[in-house]
Amino acid sequence: DGGITQSPKYLFRKEGQNVTLSCEQNLNHDAMYWYRQDPGQGLRLIYYSQIVNDFQKGDIAEGYSVSREKKESFPLTVTSAQKNPTAFYLCASSEGAGGETQYFGPGTRLLVL
Amino acid sequence: AQSVSQHNHHVILSEAASLELGCNYSYGGTVNLFWYVQYPGQHLQLLLKYFSGDPLVKGIKGFEAEFIKSKFSFNLRKPSVQWSDTAEYFCAVYGNNRLAFGKGNQVVVIP
Repeated sequence: DGGITQSPKYLFRKEGQNVTLSCEQNLNHDAMYWYRQDPGQGLRLIYYSQIVNDFQKGDIAEGYSVSREKKESFPLTVTSAQKNPTAFYLCASSEGAGGETQYFGPGTRLLVL
Repeated sequence: AQSVSQHNHHVILSEAASLELGCNYSYGGTVNLFWYVQYPGQHLQLLLKYFSGDPLVKGIKGFEAEFIKSKFSFNLRKPSVQWSDTAEYFCAVYGNNRLAFGKGNQVVVIP
């Protein structure tokens, strides 16, 4: 069953703590993306990767980091530098990065304690 | 960078009513256009898309959208909604190496 999986579904972060959100896809897609969704704000691009071992900052990259060591995996780390991390985080993938349809995972909701 | 505008963030209507959601974007170059839908408790999924060709595109569940290049618009329509259409709808525009999303329309259909 092809698709995108994200874990965990809910994640709690304490002050000053880094947390990592997982994203895995078995669609054999080259491009992967991380978005942040806040109520009434739509989706905003955090980072994207067009190919393994390469990634680019999106519109709101500050306080986040990513890696792309494997084609199927694109983990997102929310660092302590991100002052307002409470949000719904969505991972997506597409065959290429030239405007193809992006397919989304179920999301991770991050809450700060 | 391009921007995407969706108006009337909250829409409440009765079953069998017609629905039209507006989407306008700012980018002047070639664009790919999408409408995504997020049903309660479900992940974001593609409703329909326009890349080229016939500007009137049909998607899943009876939805359609019309691309009007001169107006930079890609409005979504459904002639008769059902309770199951209750969801949040997002317009997205790919241009300038970015997929930009509008802020969404929260649609509630009352049985």
